Amino acid sequence: GAVVSQHPSRVICKSGTSVKIECRSLDFQATTMFWYRQFPKQSLMLMATSNEGSKATYEQGVEKDKFLINHASLTLSTLTVTSAHPEDSSFYICSATVGEVLDGYTFGSGTRLTVV
Amino acid sequence: RKEVEQDPGPFNVPEGATVAFNCTYSNSASQSFFWYRQDCRKEPKLLMSVYSSGNEDGRFTAQLNRASQYISLLIRDSKLSDSATYLCVVRTSGSARQLTFGSGTQLTVLP
Repeated sequence: GAVVSQHPSRVICKSGTSVKIECRSLDFQATTMFWYRQFPKQSLMLMATSNEGSKATYEQGVEKDKFLINHASLTLSTLTVTSAHPEDSSFYICSATVGEVLDGYTFGSGTRLTVV
Repeated sequence: RKEVEQDPGPFNVPEGATVAFNCTYSNSASQSFFWYRQDCRKEPKLLMSVYSSGNEDGRFTAQLNRASQYISLLIRDSKLSDSATYLCVVRTSGSARQLTFGSGTQLTVLP
C-alpha cells in the first residue's frame, strides 16, 4: 500500500523561529497532499491542500503567510511554520493521494511541535 | 452542532468484552464513511470503511444508517491491543478536502 513518510517526528523550537516539516510519498507520486493539525483531545482539522506545481488552498482561518506550503515535486510537500508561537504547538499530520481515492487515506506519522 | 459527533468516552472495558461506538453526522450529502484508529501520539490508521449494507472484518463490525445519519462500530472479544481512540470520519464528496473527523472515542481494554 501507499506509504507516506513525515519528518521530523518531534521538534521543540523557540518562540519566533521557523520550523519545516516534510511529507514524502515513498512508493507513489502524490498529486495532492493534505496538511492537518490536531490539538489534544480534538479532531484532525484540515489546514490546507497542496497540489504539485501550484499554490496551496488554505482552509478558512488558516494564515497562509504563517503556514507556508510548498509542493515542488510529486513526492515531497513541506509545511513551514513561520515565527512559531506557543499556540502553534500541536500535532501536524500530512496525507497524500494520487488523484481521487475511493477508499481511506494514508497519513504520515505526524510531527509533534512544541514551541517554548 | 458539530458535523461529526462521537461520544468521547472514555470506555473502559475488560478483555473479552463487546463494545459499541456510535457516531452521527449532520451533512446528508455525505458519501463515504470510515472508522480510523489512532494510538496515543500517533497518526490515524484506517480500520475499515463503512458500507451501506454493513460490513465485518474479523472482530469488527461497522453499520451505517443513512436515514438516521448514524454510524456504528462494534468490537467483539476486546483485546488489550484494541486500546486506542476510534475516529469516525465522513466524506461529503470524492475529495479528501471534504473529510470531516469526529473528535474520537477513547477505548481502554483492561486486563
